[in-house]
Amino acid sequence: ETGVTQSPTHLIKTRGQQVTLRCSSQSGHNTVSWYQQALGQGPQFIFQYYREEENGRGNFPPRFSGLQFPNYSSELNVNALELDDSALYLCASSRDPKTEAFFGQGTRLTVV
Amino acid sequence: EDQVTQSPEALRLQEGESSSLNCSYTVSGLRGLFWYRQDPGKGPEFLFTLYSAGEEKEKERLKATLTKKESFLHITAPKPEDSATYLCAVKETSGSRLTFGEGTQLTVNP
Repeated sequence: ETGVTQSPTHLIKTRGQQVTLRCSSQSGHNTVSWYQQALGQGPQFIFQYYREEENGRGNFPPRFSGLQFPNYSSELNVNALELDDSALYLCASSRDPKTEAFFGQGTRLTVV
Repeated sequence: EDQVTQSPEALRLQEGESSSLNCSYTVSGLRGLFWYRQDPGKGPEFLFTLYSAGEEKEKERLKATLTKKESFLHITAPKPEDSATYLCAVKETSGSRLTFGEGTQLTVNP
């Protein structure tokens, strides 16, 4: 069984640029959630997608957007990057919105 | 708003020295409380889900318990490979998000 995979693993972007992060969900999972984790902090919920529809959003500005594809993989897009966007971005998939989430290895984004 | 507080922030143990990590939570209605282990630079690894007060779950040297206000992660006779950050998270009945605590950084010295 393939777990959650994220790409790329590391990324360096310049302030003001746009970035797209990708996530392949675990087999049999139809729900994907995205989290942002700053150094030394717990993950913060960005949003969740369930069967290609947004199913909840955290306290992040509209420049954070996403989508989920028919195969349940997902993308996180961030426009107009700011220095504070530097963090580990985590994708998690689950069988449905109610069950435990399994995380990928994360994408380390550095904004300079 | 859901809140999760973990203590201590950091814990240093000798190999074989048992201890407990605490997770206090406030949530309008609890769907589940989750424990994860996270190694540096990696994504969190799922350990346990607890659904109701009184429930307990075990895995190797780890045992998680749940009351109406807090959860404990007991570590029995830890080994150096148990060194990691342990994260606690809650999900409320009406929500989709996990609300995480800041984690407890555990170091086990040989």
